[in-house]
This record gives sequence, structure tokens and C-alpha cells, in this order.
Amino acid sequence: SQQGEEDPQALSIQEGENATMNCSYKTSINNLQWYRQNSGRGLVHLILIRSNEREKHSGRLRVTLDTSKKSSSLLITASRAADTASYFCATAFGGTSYGKLTFGQGTILTVHP
Amino acid sequence: SQTIHQWPATLVQPVGSPLSLECTVEGTSNPNLYWYRQAAGRGLQLLFYSVGIGQISSEVPQNLSASRPQDRQFILSSKKLLLSDSGFYLCAWMAGGADTQYFGPGTRLTVL
Repeated sequence: SQQGEEDPQALSIQEGENATMNCSYKTSINNLQWYRQNSGRGLVHLILIRSNEREKHSGRLRVTLDTSKKSSSLLITASRAADTASYFCATAFGGTSYGKLTFGQGTILTVHP
Repeated sequence: SQTIHQWPATLVQPVGSPLSLECTVEGTSNPNLYWYRQAAGRGLQLLFYSVGIGQISSEVPQNLSASRPQDRQFILSSKKLLLSDSGFYLCAWMAGGADTQYFGPGTRLTVL
């Protein structure tokens, strides 16, 4: 079964606006990761946040993690048309899980020039 | 640097035919390897993973099998394809003990 649920399923914004995507999960995690997928391509890792972290930044990306609510958000600031893609959260459980990831259903982001 | 290859990029196969998809990784040793399937507009479903040569773990009972004949080679197979096997198949690798997976470009499989 899918661990993560993402919200919204689709998001359409204008270039320069901020985009926020949310991810909820059900069980305790070791870390949560965000990936990006351009149409018909493989996934690209964006950012990882560990269970003992609350916020992380990477360029125009900001990720937050609230383990009490079992949720995370990805903020893309000053969006560009090139940010148009699907974004997935993925959770990892650590221990002897061999790095297995459980992916959400994704958010389709469209940035209009 | 490390690279991951998948082939073929696109495949159209009739129902009942066999399948072999290949994934190879360069520039690293003893990686963890993963096969995922992505249905249209959906998230990724983990099918198989391997932590070493000859070691395969299956996540979902299905019509597919996986093998790892060499350290950096991961093969997804089927003896007889079903319509429901259609999808986008992605291979990924991760260094042992690390957290981040790196994905290949994927294979689009259509079963008719």
C-alpha cells in the first residue's frame, strides 16, 4: 500500500509565484525525500530531510517535516516554467529496510510563463 | 561519476510473449538495486530489490521476476506478459548504507 498521500494532485501557477506541495504518511520514518520527474523520464532526487530535522533548504527549495503530524511540505519559491514536472515524496524506514522507499502518488506542477 | 542505463527505452509486446529489461550501473561497486513500476499518472511501486549478486527480494506477487547475474546488472523478466504488465519501468541504484536512490531513464512497456 502507498505510504504517502500528496496534496494537491495538480497545481497550476504563474511563473514567479511560489508552489507548495504537501505529503502525509502513516508510520514512523527514518527520512523523507522529494523527487522530481519530468514527463516520461526518470526521477531526480531533490532533497532529503531526516526524522530529527524540521526544515531544510536547497536553493529555491524549502522542505519542512512535522513528525507529530506525519506530514511534510515542499516549497518552490519564484517558480520557473522549467519547474513544470511531477513531484513525489518518498519515505524510508531505516534499519534493515535496505533503503527501500515508499512513494506517494505525486503532485503535477504546471508553471505558466 | 556514476551512471545508470536502461534498455530498451520503449517496447511493444504482444500478450503472452516473454520480456527482458536490462539495467546496468557504472562507476560504483556493490550497489543496492531496485525495480519499480509506474502506472500512468501514478506513483512508483517497488517490485524487486537486490543487495548483492544473486540476492533478490520481491515486494509484490506478480507475473514478473528479477535476476542479478553481475554486480552492476539487474534484469527484469517475464515468461508470459499480461495486459496488466504495461507501464513505465524504472531501475534505481543506491550505495550501500546511503539514503538517496538514483534512477535510470526508464522503459515504457506496452502490452497489446
